[in-house]
Amino acid sequence: SQQGEEDPQALSIQEGENATMNCSYKTSINNLQWYRQNSGRGLVHLILIRSNEREKHSGRLRVTLDTSKKSSSLLITASRAADTASYFCATPNAGNMLTFGGGTRLMVKP
Amino acid sequence: DTEVTQTPKHLVMGMTNKKSLKCEQHMGHRAMYWYKQKAKKPPELMFVYSYEKLSINESVPSRFSPECPNSSLLNLHLHALQPEDSALYLCASSQESRGFVSNEKLFFGSGTQLSVL
Repeated sequence: SQQGEEDPQALSIQEGENATMNCSYKTSINNLQWYRQNSGRGLVHLILIRSNEREKHSGRLRVTLDTSKKSSSLLITASRAADTASYFCATPNAGNMLTFGGGTRLMVKP
Repeated sequence: DTEVTQTPKHLVMGMTNKKSLKCEQHMGHRAMYWYKQKAKKPPELMFVYSYEKLSINESVPSRFSPECPNSSLLNLHLHALQPEDSALYLCASSQESRGFVSNEKLFFGSGTQLSVL
C-alpha cells in the first residue's frame, strides 16, 4: 500500500525559478529516497536521506527530512526545462520494501 | 555498466496470447524487482527476487508468472491478460548486500509499455 503522499500533485514554473515538492509518510522510517521519472521512462534515483540526517544536497537538489512531522521536501534550484518530469518519494513499507508516493508532475517552461 | 535493459520496449497482445518480458543487468545485483505502473500513478511492486529466489509476491494474479533463470536475468511471463493489465512494466535491481533492500538505491530499466486488446 502507498506510504507516501506528495504535494502538490502538479507544479508549473518558469525556467530559473525554484521548485519545491513535499512528501508526507505515515509510519517511522529509517530512510527516504527521491526518484525522477521522465515521461514513459524508468525511474532514476536522485538522493537517499537517512532518518538521522536533516538535510542533504546534490548539485541543484536539496532534500530535507523532518521525522517529527513525518515529512520530506525536495527543492530544485534554478530549474531548467530538462527538469520537467515526475518526482516520487519512496519509503520502506512494513515488509521493508520501497513503496512510492503519488508523485509530483513538474513542468518547467522555457 | 550501470544499466538495466528491458525488452521489448512496446508490446501489444491479445487476451489469449502468451508473451514474455525480459530484464537484464550486469551490475552484480542480487535483488531484482518487477513493478507495474498505470498512467499518472506511482509504480506498484509486483515481485521481488533475492538471490534468484522469489521473496515477495504482492498478491499478483497467476496470469503473471515471474522467473529468474540466473542472477542477471529476470523474466515476466504473461498469459490470458485482461485489458486492465495494460500498463508500463518496470524492472529494477539493487545490490541486496545486507538484507535491508529498502536502504538500497534501485536501478530501473526503461520499461515495457504493454497494451492488452
